[in-house]
Amino acid sequence: LAKTTQPISMDSYEGQEVNITCSHNNIATNDYITWYQQFPSQGPRFIIQGYKTKVTNEVASLFIPADRKSSTLSLPRVSLSDTAVYYCLVGFLSGSARQLTFGSGTQLTVLP
Amino acid sequence: GAVVSQHPSWVICKSGTSVKIECRSLDFQATTMFWYRQFPKQSLMLMATSNEGSKATYEQGVEKDKFLINHASLTLSTLTVTSAHPEDSSFYICSATRGQNTGELFFGEGSRLTVL
Repeated sequence: LAKTTQPISMDSYEGQEVNITCSHNNIATNDYITWYQQFPSQGPRFIIQGYKTKVTNEVASLFIPADRKSSTLSLPRVSLSDTAVYYCLVGFLSGSARQLTFGSGTQLTVLP
Repeated sequence: GAVVSQHPSWVICKSGTSVKIECRSLDFQATTMFWYRQFPKQSLMLMATSNEGSKATYEQGVEKDKFLINHASLTLSTLTVTSAHPEDSSFYICSATRGQNTGELFFGEGSRLTVL
């Protein structure tokens, strides 16, 4: 299993760019990197997924260095509504979810 | 994106009773669904993997006789908490994959169980 390590918490201010880094030193060749957002009392919501280099969608960017041992989720110009827990998942589905284990997540608090 | 729905969103029951939680994939067929539980301020813990037409695979430490999982169709999986006790009070979340191997999961809204 690719264990992930993220900061427990981060604070930011509205309008700033936020970068959350996840370490996954034992990532396997087949593993993808996926980030989820979770608000209190809700199920996690998919944000972005990547395998290598950079991926960008309408809400975030994901930077993955060549060795893939870490990844950085970048949220441009955060707002108060971006306050949530962000999880980095590393894994690959092969008939079992054991390879998709949630780490502790990062509590992002956006301040006015 | 794909939609997964859970029902009920919250339930309160007396100790000793059984509670069933449903997880439906609304716009796709899910051969595999996953059940998690989450305690306050903690991460999601995988309980079991539910496969359509076969027995669920439980994670170590999860009692299969206590948490009954049935995946009778490609769009529905159910989790039944049998003889519930206050320590079973938690937030239960299901997720499903559309069959891709990339690990993109679609989560339900979660079900809050409170056992009195």
